[in-house]
Amino acid sequence: SQTIHQWPATLVQPVGSPLSLECTVEGTSNPNLYWYRQAAGRGLQLLFYSVGIGQISSEVPQNLSASRPQDRQFILSSKKLLLSDSGFYLCAWIPSGELFFGEGSRLTVL
Amino acid sequence: AQSVAQPEDQVNVAEGNPLTVKCTYSVSGNPYLFWYVQYPNRGLQFLLKYITGDNLVKGSYGFEAEFNKSQTSFHLKKPSALVSDSALYFCAVRDATSGTYKYIFGTGTRLKVLA
Repeated sequence: SQTIHQWPATLVQPVGSPLSLECTVEGTSNPNLYWYRQAAGRGLQLLFYSVGIGQISSEVPQNLSASRPQDRQFILSSKKLLLSDSGFYLCAWIPSGELFFGEGSRLTVL
Repeated sequence: AQSVAQPEDQVNVAEGNPLTVKCTYSVSGNPYLFWYVQYPNRGLQFLLKYITGDNLVKGSYGFEAEFNKSQTSFHLKKPSALVSDSALYFCAVRDATSGTYKYIFGTGTRLKVLA
């Protein structure tokens, strides 16, 4: 079966602390993988996407980075969080023709 | 550059009435178009897509959408709204001819179906 897992589901972090959000998928080799951020429950902003291991496209200059150490693993990181990094982070992939999303990770930076 | 506009922040409709959620797009090539729905604190769920062919696309939960190339629109419709349809709806576009794998989303439209 084709599934997407995203964790942690919720995270509360102090300003200046590091961040690591992980996304893994099962069922398809060499999938396209995506990280989106949703602020204030509205629009989705594309942060990063990857078409293969080590291939990362960054869409918005910011305090975040992404890595793809394995074919089915996509990690979103930050060395020092800002208040403005708070939001709902969604991982997505394309198992068969359209984007499918994980359940999201809600990050609150205090 | 690709872009999507959802001109209405919120749409209110009475249960049983038809609903329309509007979407217009801009791409340099041919568009792939999508609608997604989001319930509170959840990921987005796929509803339907237009790739090619018939301009009227049918999707999940009785939803359909009409692709109009001349108006660059892809409005979401349902003949009879249910209270359970209340959610946040997103339109998305991918430029099929540019070779990009970027999916760009609109700002979302909140649908409220009133009993």
